[in-house]
Amino acid sequence: GENVEQHPSTLSVQEGDSAVIKCTYSDSASNYFPWYKQELGKRPQLIIDIRSNVGEKKDQRIAVTLNKTAKHFSLHITETQPEDSAVYFCAAANAGKSTFGDGTTLTVKP
Amino acid sequence: DVKVTQSSRYLVKRTGEKVFLECVQDMDHENMFWYRQDPGLGLRLIYFSYDVKMKEKGDIPEGYSVSREKKERFSLILESASTNQTSMYLCASSGGAGQHNQPQHFGDGTRLSIL
Repeated sequence: GENVEQHPSTLSVQEGDSAVIKCTYSDSASNYFPWYKQELGKRPQLIIDIRSNVGEKKDQRIAVTLNKTAKHFSLHITETQPEDSAVYFCAAANAGKSTFGDGTTLTVKP
Repeated sequence: DVKVTQSSRYLVKRTGEKVFLECVQDMDHENMFWYRQDPGLGLRLIYFSYDVKMKEKGDIPEGYSVSREKKERFSLILESASTNQTSMYLCASSGGAGQHNQPQHFGDGTRLSIL
């Protein structure tokens, strides 16, 4: 089955700096890669996703890149703000079944 | 806005009990999922369903079963609860017919404690 590894497990940055979270996957059949943000005590919510026919996608301060050959994808957050502090999960999906990474706890220090 | 509602936020049960966790979505989604979330382990898929009366095993189905009698409702059943099933359980739904790889919408979760 699919295996998704996510790094780092914790990340601390100063407000205004950039943050990068990386994921690798094992199943070349995976073709959909969403990222979810989970604030403390709340439900995970989609923040951005990318499909296998696209190499990069951007939405304001958030971007995701995908390298299908190397089987890795990354989340980039620029100009971080304290409200970006949360746990971020990557996932790799094929035929509707998603496998999630273990999560990255991002702390943005004011 | 999609609403996924889980019947309980907190639940305490005893070892050996049969436990039912209920999930209802209001967006006519075809696909529904049950995950458990444990610290440092991400979200692990227990079971999922693409249609009424249809179910597929996820990565950790042992000790669990599911029921989907109606499109909007997906139930997770712990046949004989054990302490290692103490966890946060998240339900999610996504997509229309044939739309498998779509964003998932999660419920608020049920924190289940087995004593």
